[in-house]
Parts: sequence; structure tokens; C-alpha cells
Amino acid sequence: GQNIDQPTEMTATEGAIVQINCTYQTSGFNGLFWYQQHAGEAPTFLSYNVLDGLEEKGRFSSFLSRSKGYSYLLLKELQMKDSASYLCAVRDNYGQNFVFGPGTRLSVLP
Amino acid sequence: DTEVTQTPKHLVMGMTNKKSLKCEQHMGHRAMYWYKQKAKKPPELMFVYSYEKLSINESVPSRFSPECPNSSLLNLHLHALQPEDSALYLCASSQVSRGGPETQYFGPGTRLLVL
Repeated sequence: GQNIDQPTEMTATEGAIVQINCTYQTSGFNGLFWYQQHAGEAPTFLSYNVLDGLEEKGRFSSFLSRSKGYSYLLLKELQMKDSASYLCAVRDNYGQNFVFGPGTRLSVLP
Repeated sequence: DTEVTQTPKHLVMGMTNKKSLKCEQHMGHRAMYWYKQKAKKPPELMFVYSYEKLSINESVPSRFSPECPNSSLLNLHLHALQPEDSALYLCASSQVSRGGPETQYFGPGTRLLVL
């Protein structure tokens, strides 16, 4: 089966750092993706990990540990516009199926 | 061009109507997807087309019928829908490599209301 877990909601302050965790138990693994989705809009791609370690892209970083079935998305220097849902998605071994986690709604407060 | 377009943006239909959702991309991607997303929930995969062939059908009711006329277009034909089918329908596309599909790019979605 496929099971992906994320915290439902998080709150942080403008300028701060926030870490959003994702744990997964899937029948196969061929990469983990992070997406940002503002209310009423489509998801947009943030980052991708297939090997263990940290990937950094500007204010956003993502980490993966395949042995632990764990990833996190790190957002630095938070801005009000970062208020959104953050979705982690796992691509399965066959490479055609993406399973999304429940998403984490992040609220950035002034 | 890094855009996936979807039409219409909004659709209201009765349970006896027949309508179609359309999706188009010109990025040369060979995998295209339909997702259904309810409010405050993650996208749920419905169908995957790879090289214009249906490769995944996630046990979707037959009142939803996908069609991939060519590598740039993806349609979703709707017939005899139920009110619980009201949702945001997202189309996505991705490149396909040896390791499988690459990053998905999503269209803006069609917000469907079934009365």
C-alpha cells in the first residue's frame, strides 16, 4: 500500500525558518517531489530528491533519507506569500504513478 | 513555452449533461495526467497517458472517459456525473526518461460543479 504523512497545519512568523516533514511508506520509490499550492491554484514544482541528502534552491531546501522513508522541506526567510499548502509526492518504482501526501497548510504571520 | 492550458476554467453541468474538459501542452512532454482534487485535499490521480496510450486508470467510474488525440492534447469526457464529482480537475504533463516521468507541470485546473 501507499501511505504518505505530513502535518496538517503549521504556523510561522515572517522572516523565520520552517521545516515541513513528510514520511512515506510506499510499495516502491523512484523519487520524491515537493509542490506548493496556493488556494484555488494549481500545484507548482519546488524540488525533487531521488538520492539521500540535501537539495538547495534559493530559500527552499529539501532533504531525503530513503532508509528512514523521510523527507523535509526547509523554507528560510519566510515571506507572507509563502502562505500556501505544501504537498509531498512520491513517484513509484514503475515511474508512472505519483502519490500525493495530504499536504501541509502553512500560515505565515507578520 | 512551459505552460499547460486547460479549458474551460469553470463548468457547471447537470447530471444528464455531456461535457468535455480539454488540456493542452506544447513542451514535448510524452506523459499526461488527469487528477481530481477536492477542497483541502491533495490531488488524486485518475488517469495517466504515456506516449498517447492509457497506462494507468485508477479505478475511475466509467462516467469519466479520457482521450488522448495526440501528444499535445488530453481530453476528459464527462457524462451522467453525480454531485459528488464536483471538484477541481487538474491536468499535468511531464517528460519521460529512462528513470520514469520527470517533474510534473500542472495546468490551472477546471473547477466543476455538478447540480
